[in-house]
Amino acid sequence: GAVVSQHPSRVICKSGTSVKIECRSLDFQATTMFWYRQFPKQSLMLMATSNEGSKATYEQGVEKDKFLINHASLTLSTLTVTSAHPEDSSFYICSAPVLVGGTEAFFGQGTRLTVV
Amino acid sequence: AQSVTQPDIHITVSEGASLELRCNYSYGATPYLFWYVQSPGQGLQLLLKYFSGDTLVQGIKGFEAEFKRSQSSFNLRKPSVHWSDAAEYFCAVGAMLTGGGNKLTFGTGTQLKVEL
Repeated sequence: GAVVSQHPSRVICKSGTSVKIECRSLDFQATTMFWYRQFPKQSLMLMATSNEGSKATYEQGVEKDKFLINHASLTLSTLTVTSAHPEDSSFYICSAPVLVGGTEAFFGQGTRLTVV
Repeated sequence: AQSVTQPDIHITVSEGASLELRCNYSYGATPYLFWYVQSPGQGLQLLLKYFSGDTLVQGIKGFEAEFKRSQSSFNLRKPSVHWSDAAEYFCAVGAMLTGGGNKLTFGTGTQLKVEL
């Protein structure tokens, strides 16, 4: 079945630094990918829709300059958390819809970001 | 706008007992409905999905869900729970994208605890 790979699974960074998270579709092409954020014991909140070849679409309240999204190819989307602060610590998950005959999304394994 | 409500934040059942997790949705058209399971620190695994047709949907791991349009519900059931079923369960409703794929809105999740 379709697989979405997310890397790294866990990262610790210092305040003020930037962190890049990668999301790859391994056996299918994804013109669209989604980035979610999940706080402890809470649901997934959609942050933005990543679009290959064009700008990402951000949900209301999400700072586009802080959470930079680049969808460089049909199999790769990256989320960069810039100038990270402790409040950015969270679990970030990407997903990609399977377009060819598919109507569901596959999820990456998630990235646990801790900003110290 | 679409929304999902999972009324039960925590549920505890004994191993071998039956299980029902509730999910109510709000969506303007025919909904695409999903149940996902998440183990601690992990991504999401799709249990089952409903798009159309038979309102009783069978999924993996012995789970099933029934779509009831009149009640705007999509409750998840399992006749006999196993200790390994302890996890967080998310109900989601999807909005179809042009070209396929879904943009998902998640409920707040239900934490399932299984007593041995």
